[in-house]
Amino acid sequence: SQKIEQNSEALNIQEGKTATLTCNYTNYSPAYLQWYRQDPGRGPVFLLLIRENEKEKRKERLKVTFDTTLKQSLFHITASQPADSATYLCALAGGSYIPTFGRGTSLIVHP
Amino acid sequence: EAGVAQSPRYKIIEKRQSVAFWCNPISGHATLYWYQQILGQGPKLLIQFQNNGVVDDSQLPKDRFSAERLKGVDSTLKIQPAKLEDSAVYLCASSDSGNSYEQYFGPGTRLTVT
Repeated sequence: SQKIEQNSEALNIQEGKTATLTCNYTNYSPAYLQWYRQDPGRGPVFLLLIRENEKEKRKERLKVTFDTTLKQSLFHITASQPADSATYLCALAGGSYIPTFGRGTSLIVHP
Repeated sequence: EAGVAQSPRYKIIEKRQSVAFWCNPISGHATLYWYQQILGQGPKLLIQFQNNGVVDDSQLPKDRFSAERLKGVDSTLKIQPAKLEDSAVYLCASSDSGNSYEQYFGPGTRLTVT
């Protein structure tokens, strides 16, 4: 069956460091992969989209990679700040797949 | 531009009662989604509309859940009768059909079934 895996353990890092979050998937061939940010009590907010034929995408301090051979996406936040603390969700879709979200990884940036 | 509106924000009902949620998407967005998010999990798609037609409802428990988007704008999601396991946040999202991959979410409705 199709599966999306994100680390269920919270990631704790110090301010200024680079945070790296992982999204692995099995039994999917998605056309694209998205990353969203979700704060407590709020709906997810779209951050970045990367297509299957793209290796890397950047937006300000954010970088996403997409390896369709490894079936993995890495999400990086450089020069992290306490305001970056939130849960980050990856989502796969496209082709014959309905939008499907991972459970998210909580990021905590310590001052 | 106004965001996706949802109401109510919170609802507490007893099991076997019915409940309805309302969503008004961003103006001009043709695609509307309803998701269920159980605590500690990611959003799970219940139903996707394109204008007033259903694109996918394969994960909607149709024996108790129903949704409509009659005029292709706002939408309602209903649960009748509710079960304890329906306690969750119900999220509505919309997207522009020209860039349908980016979804804009509302704040959600937190449902507690006792």
